[in-house]
Amino acid sequence: GAVVSQHPSRVICKSGTSVKIECRSLDFQATTMFWYRQFPKKSLMLMATSNEGSKATYEQGVEKDKFLINHASLTLSTLTVTSAHPEDSSFYICSARRPGTGDVNIQYFGAGTRLSVL
Amino acid sequence: AQSVTQLGSHVSVSEGALVLLRCNYSSSVPPYLFWYVQYPNQGLQLLLKYTSAATLVKGINGFEAEFKKSETSFHLTKPSAHMRDAAEYFCAVSGGATNKLIFGTGTLLAVQP
Repeated sequence: GAVVSQHPSRVICKSGTSVKIECRSLDFQATTMFWYRQFPKKSLMLMATSNEGSKATYEQGVEKDKFLINHASLTLSTLTVTSAHPEDSSFYICSARRPGTGDVNIQYFGAGTRLSVL
Repeated sequence: AQSVTQLGSHVSVSEGALVLLRCNYSSSVPPYLFWYVQYPNQGLQLLLKYTSAATLVKGINGFEAEFKKSETSFHLTKPSAHMRDAAEYFCAVSGGATNKLIFGTGTLLAVQP
C-alpha cells in the first residue's frame, strides 16, 4: 500500500522559534502534497497544496509567510511554522496524492504532528 | 462549490450492533466521495471510495457505503460493530479541476461492550 511518513510526531517549542515538519511519500512519487490543520474535536482544514518544483497554493486566510511550504522533490514536502506562537498549537497532517487508475486521485495521509508552542 | 454534512457528531452503538454513519454531500460536478477513519493522535486511513462506478462500495474492516444520487447521500454502514471500530470517521468529497478534499466535521463512533 501507499505509505506517507510524517516527522516529527510531536514537537514542543518555545514561542518565537521555528519548527519544520517533514512529509515523505515512501513508496510512490507524489507530485502533489497537501497540508491540513486540525483543531481539537474539529475537522481538517486545508492549509495549502504543495506542488513539486513550484510554489505552494495557499487557502484563503492562511498566512504564507507564517507557514512556509517547500516541495523540493517528488517524495518530500516540508512545512515550516515560522516564529511560532501559542495560537499555532495544533495537529498538522500532510497527505500525498497518488496518481491512480481511472479519473480519481487518492490522497494518503501521514500520521500527523502535534505542535505545542509554549 | 462542494460541501459535506455529517449528521451526528457522536454515535454510540453496542458491540455487535449495526453501525450507520450519515453523510450528505453537495456538489456542482460529479462527485468523488470518501470515508476516512482517524484513531486518536493519528492521521487518516482510507476506508472506501466512490468513483462513479458501482454505487455500493465495499471497503476495509467490513464497512460499506452506498451512493444515492437522488438523496445526495453516502452513508457508511457495518453490520456488526467491534470494539476496535471506535474512532472518528470523516466523510469527504472531491471533484472538479482541483480535486481538493472537502471534509465533513466528523462523527465520533463509540462502541459499548
